[in-house]
Amino acid sequence: AQSVTQLGSHVSVSEGALVLLRCNYSSSVPPYLFWYVQYPNQGLQLLLKYTTGATLVKGINGFEAEFKKSETSFHLTKPSAHMSDAAEYFCAVSEGRGATNKLIFGTGTLLAVQP
Amino acid sequence: DSGVTQTPKHLITATGQRVTLRCSPRSGDLSVYWYQQSLDQGLQFLIQYYNGEERAKGNILERFSAQQFPDLHSELNLSSLELGDSALYFCASSRTGTDFKVSYGYTFGSGTRLTVV
Repeated sequence: AQSVTQLGSHVSVSEGALVLLRCNYSSSVPPYLFWYVQYPNQGLQLLLKYTTGATLVKGINGFEAEFKKSETSFHLTKPSAHMSDAAEYFCAVSEGRGATNKLIFGTGTLLAVQP
Repeated sequence: DSGVTQTPKHLITATGQRVTLRCSPRSGDLSVYWYQQSLDQGLQFLIQYYNGEERAKGNILERFSAQQFPDLHSELNLSSLELGDSALYFCASSRTGTDFKVSYGYTFGSGTRLTVV
């Protein structure tokens, strides 16, 4: 079965610094991978996804992630953190295809941005 | 507004009671997923419906049930509530269908916060 591991439940960076949130996955089939962001008291919003094709995917708000099959990783990065990036970030892998493609989520990483 | 509507936003009820959470998916989405988010368990998949039929089941308790209606809205029924059922319940929808090559990901609603006292 697919699974997702997010290293670091809390990450703190200074405003303007590089953001790196780590995600490793386990999957017996080529995975579909996702990053979601959750702001306080809100639902999850899709940041970006990898399905097929280019392994470097760009998302909203300046975030990007690179699918590395050899490392089974899908780390999320942003060159320069902004105060508004403070939120919880979830990595997810899609289990199955088509109509039964439930997402398995990691435990989340809470990003704090210091002024 | 994500296009997925969940009602109510907040619900406070007593142990032993039964509640119904409602979800209207984004227009055109056929799949509805229910997730439970709690501090100790994280985001747990409960159940998926696709075009009115149950498609996948996760860690859903027997006290919980769900259904998807012909107009594609879904309801999650929670009965014999316990204190430990207090959590955020999210509904998500997906534009999945017969194209097996592309996964669109989910669109989440803003959730229902259930507090059992």
